[in-house]
Amino acid sequence: NAGVTQTPKFRVLKTGQSMTLLCAQDMNHEYMYWYRQDPGMGLRLIHYSVGEGTTAKGEVPDGYNVSRLKKQNFLLGLESAAPSQTSVYFCASSYSGHLIANYGYTFGSGTRLTVV
Amino acid sequence: RKEVEQDPGPFNVPEGATVAFNCTYSNSASQSFFWYRQDCRKEPKLLMSVYSSGNEDGRFTAQLNRASQYISLLIRDSKLSDSATYLCVVNGINTGTASKLTFGTGTRLQVTL
Repeated sequence: NAGVTQTPKFRVLKTGQSMTLLCAQDMNHEYMYWYRQDPGMGLRLIHYSVGEGTTAKGEVPDGYNVSRLKKQNFLLGLESAAPSQTSVYFCASSYSGHLIANYGYTFGSGTRLTVV
Repeated sequence: RKEVEQDPGPFNVPEGATVAFNCTYSNSASQSFFWYRQDCRKEPKLLMSVYSSGNEDGRFTAQLNRASQYISLLIRDSKLSDSATYLCVVNGINTGTASKLTFGTGTRLQVTL
């Protein structure tokens, strides 16, 4: 029972390069989320999805794109990486609606991205 | 005002001590409340949900005060393994499409011998 799996775990990019972070969950959760975590700023929501084929912007969406072609996968793309995108990225998933109150979110182990 | 506010700490306590954290939230319509634990360089993990009547899980007790808009976490008989950052988490108004959780920046606890 893997839960939420993120790949890669670490990555170093040069400014201007692109990359895709993959999140996969095997819990049949409807909702999925991408967060970034920076020192002193807590977790900030980048984009989220409430179901296959749907995406929506979160608190800090600029510079990122997402896709949810399959229910179990949620991809986060950086088209042209900038040093300001150096961060730890966490994917999370959850049940929908009132079940969130009981179970909260389940997080992946994170991706540490450095943009130089 | 931040949506969720916590004292960043650190709280340094000896093993066996009782320690309490508070957290305030700004959205009076919030419906769901949680405490998450995050170890250094690891992902957040759900510690416990917080229910209106208060709830206990072993050495951990969570309380909700809707009138004053704060939640608390009490840890009794602290263990070295309790050393971590504790995140206060609150959800906003259900938009009908998603009930997004807002995370506090966390309170760091260091339990020492």
